[in-house]
Amino acid sequence: NAGVTQTPKFQVLKTGQSMTLQCAQDMNHEYMSWYRQDPGMGLRLIHYSVGAGITDQGEVPNGYNVSRSTTEDFPLRLLSAAPSQTSVYFCASRPRGGSNQPQHFGDGTRLSIL
Amino acid sequence: GQSLEQPSEVTAVEGAIVQINCTYQTSGFYGLSWYQQHDGGAPTFLSYNALDGLEETGRFSSFLSRSDSYGYLLLQELQMKDSASYFCAVSSMIYNQGGKLIFGQGTELSVKP
Repeated sequence: NAGVTQTPKFQVLKTGQSMTLQCAQDMNHEYMSWYRQDPGMGLRLIHYSVGAGITDQGEVPNGYNVSRSTTEDFPLRLLSAAPSQTSVYFCASRPRGGSNQPQHFGDGTRLSIL
Repeated sequence: GQSLEQPSEVTAVEGAIVQINCTYQTSGFYGLSWYQQHDGGAPTFLSYNALDGLEETGRFSSFLSRSDSYGYLLLQELQMKDSASYFCAVSSMIYNQGGKLIFGQGTELSVKP
């Protein structure tokens, strides 16, 4: 019963490097989202997707790209890492069919940009 | 856009009742959800309200007033393990934004013995 799986769990990057945070879910959920969490800032939505091939921007999309080629996977790409992107990143998924459907979160990726 | 406000910290004693308030501003409001997060781990779903009134799930209840754009989470018979961060979140009924869930900044609850 894997749920939402994020890899890696920890990562340190240098400024200017690029990388992809992986997210996979095995619950056949249509909706997937990426959030970042900084101290005192709560969970801020970066990008979200309502199905394969459909993505949209959230509250803080700059510096990040996403794609959704399959229902299961929703990778988040940092194009050129900046220290301001140091954060904890959470991927989440939930089924279509009413907002009473709980959103399931992965365990997070702790990312530090030096 | 959407915005939510909730207190940053609340302290209560074991066995007591505590209420965490949430006010929101959003277009196309669909429902208000509550999530719990322990020690920076994965948030977990607690409760959801789409209609006015109270929803009860064990020791936790959640209330919504759509006309006041206000809701709260009520925790009864507090236990030490309830010490955590609590987030309210709003969802939208706007087409293709159904998957968009916006969170408040969170309320850190400390339960004292």
